[in-house]
Amino acid sequence: GAVVSQHPSRVICKSGTSVKIECRSLDFQATTMFWYRQFPKQSLMLMATSNEGSKATYEQGVEKDKFLINHASLTLSTLTVTSAHPEDSSFYICSARVLAGGPYEQYFGPGTRLTVT
Amino acid sequence: AQSVSQHNHHVILSEAASLELGCNYSYGGTVNLFWYVQYPGQHLQLLLKYFSGDPLVKGIKGFEAEFIKSKFSFNLRKPSVQWSDTAEYFCAVIPMTTDSWGKLQFGAGTQVVVTP
Repeated sequence: GAVVSQHPSRVICKSGTSVKIECRSLDFQATTMFWYRQFPKQSLMLMATSNEGSKATYEQGVEKDKFLINHASLTLSTLTVTSAHPEDSSFYICSARVLAGGPYEQYFGPGTRLTVT
Repeated sequence: AQSVSQHNHHVILSEAASLELGCNYSYGGTVNLFWYVQYPGQHLQLLLKYFSGDPLVKGIKGFEAEFIKSKFSFNLRKPSVQWSDTAEYFCAVIPMTTDSWGKLQFGAGTQVVVTP
């Protein structure tokens, strides 16, 4: 149980275009999903916290107009990278917090590799 | 700034050797502690977690970790590693403060390579 999927797993886009990444909890409901960014050989940096039915909360330094997050249902959150530039190339990972399993445990998706050319 | 520190960025050891990865955090008050593993090409998986109680925590695949509150540490151990333990290991902390509630703070990770 507690499987999180992401789609797509890899995406290459041209500079200036927008890319949408989906994060789904497959077998549980998640009131909260988190979006992370991971640079090569580095740790995961939390970008934003996504709560179902409300606006996302962004971490300091993360541009909310560039990284649009929508959490429309208890099983789906999306991250849209708008007007992507090469510096946005990274590995984006989502996680979901189990609704009934206490506030502390998160399950991670497999990540999406974004390359902006 | 408050942080999670992992002592080693890269560890190479032989099969059957013992492994210990250090993790220290600088948050005061109550914390929840985790170790995650990321095998090559795979997603993060939870190895073990500590919320309260016995400070020696046993996880999956023979891993264990010890919480030492006085040292703000949560070191990961495995008595005898296998080649399949080659992976990146992340220590993570949830500080139970109002503004950080539920937010995982990750260490930089330790790349462990186990040679046959």
